Amino acid sequence: GQNIDQPTEMTATEGAIVQINCTYQTSGFNGLFWYQQHAGEAPTFLSYNVLDGLEEKGRFSSFLSRSKGYSYLLLKELQMKDSASYLCAVTKLTGGGNKLTFGTGTQLKVEL
Amino acid sequence: DAMVIQNPRYQVTQFGKPVTLSCSQTLNHNVMYWYQQKSSQAPKLLFHYYDKDFNNEADTPDNFQSRRPNTSFCFLDIRSPGLGDAAMYLCATSRDGVPTDTQYFGPGTRLTVL
Repeated sequence: GQNIDQPTEMTATEGAIVQINCTYQTSGFNGLFWYQQHAGEAPTFLSYNVLDGLEEKGRFSSFLSRSKGYSYLLLKELQMKDSASYLCAVTKLTGGGNKLTFGTGTQLKVEL
Repeated sequence: DAMVIQNPRYQVTQFGKPVTLSCSQTLNHNVMYWYQQKSSQAPKLLFHYYDKDFNNEADTPDNFQSRRPNTSFCFLDIRSPGLGDAAMYLCATSRDGVPTDTQYFGPGTRLTVL
C-alpha cells in the first residue's frame, strides 16, 4: 500500500516563503507530483519530481529525496491567491495507466 | 483551448436513483480517470481507461460503473446512489499513462444525494 503524510494546515504572510512537506511510504515509486486545488475547483498541476533534487518553476520549487521518502514544495513571494490546498501525490505505473495516490492536502492560508 | 470538460458542474439526485456524469476531452489523450473526492479528503481513484481497456480499483464499489464509447468521452454511472456517495467527482486525462505524464483535471461535478 501507500501512505502519504502532509500537514493539515499552514498559515503564512503575504510576501513570505513557505515550505510544505510531504513524506511517503510506497512500493513501486515512480515519481511525485504537487497539485494546487482552490476550494470547489479541480486540482491543477504544479510540479513533478522523479530524481532527487530541486525543480524550480518561477515562484514554486519542489524537492525530492527518494532515499528518505520526502518531498517539499517551496512557495516564494507569497500572494493572497496562493491560499489553497496543496496536494502531494505519488505515482505508480499500473495496468496501462499512471496511478496517482494523493495525500489529504495541506490547506495554506496567506494573510496580510 | 484544449481542455477537460465535465457536465453538469452540479448534480442533484435522489437516494437510489441512477445518475450519469459525463466527461469529455479535446486533448486526444489515451488515458481517462475518474476520481471521487469527499469534503476535506484526498481525491480517490475509482477506475481508469487506457484507450478501451478498463482498469477498476479493487476497492471501488460495484455501484460505480464507467463507459468510454470513444477517445473523447467517458461516463461515470452510479447505479443506486447512497448518501455516502455525495462528493466531488473529478475526471482527469493523461497522454499515455507513463509515470512522467501529467494528469489534467476537469472542473469536477459536485453530486448531492437527497
